[in-house]
Amino acid sequence: EDKVVQSPLSLVVHEGDTVTLNCSYEVTNFRSLLWYKQEKKAPTFLFMLTSSGIEKKSGRLSSILDKKELFSILNITATQTGDSAVYLCAVEAYAGGTSYGKLTFGQGTILTVHP
Amino acid sequence: GAGVSQSPSNKVTEKGKDVELRCDPISGHTALYWYRQSLGQGLEFLIYFQGNSAPDKSGLPSDRFSAERTGGSVSTLTIQRTQQEDSAVYLCASSFSQRQPQHFGDGTRLSIL
Repeated sequence: EDKVVQSPLSLVVHEGDTVTLNCSYEVTNFRSLLWYKQEKKAPTFLFMLTSSGIEKKSGRLSSILDKKELFSILNITATQTGDSAVYLCAVEAYAGGTSYGKLTFGQGTILTVHP
Repeated sequence: GAGVSQSPSNKVTEKGKDVELRCDPISGHTALYWYRQSLGQGLEFLIYFQGNSAPDKSGLPSDRFSAERTGGSVSTLTIQRTQQEDSAVYLCASSFSQRQPQHFGDGTRLSIL
């Protein structure tokens, strides 16, 4: 059974701090790893990673994948109160020779940024 | 529309009743997914539709759950004879194709009394 584990489960920091969120996975026939940010309602897409060692960056957020060690990290620099959210990691796998986007999610990391 | 639209946003019903949840995907998106998010749990895959292909129902927790997608667009998730453990947020997502990221709606918060 596919498994995704995120750590820490929760994190409290002050504005300006840098945080690193972790995601490890055990998946048969890995295809991609995705990060989402969930505030009050809909998870919003952040990154999709398919290749090892290539950093993806968007503003203060960046992420990288290690397919050998089966993990990914999400970094947020110079955190702001608006970064407070649940960060979800999800892994997509091929299924029985058919490629489709069924995602297995981790439990999420609750990030709280205090002013 | 601009995003995935789900209705109702909240639904409260009595145990044993049937409920229907609706999802209107982003225009042009061929893939549609339903997930369930229970308190303190991660998102749990329920069912997947891709174009006119037979859906992948492997995540449906029991035969009380079913889903349809009419005309390759709007989808309805039906839960029959609801139980208290069905209380959760039901999220719908769509993507342009299997290889593109999924975009989520705001969900329907279902509460079974």
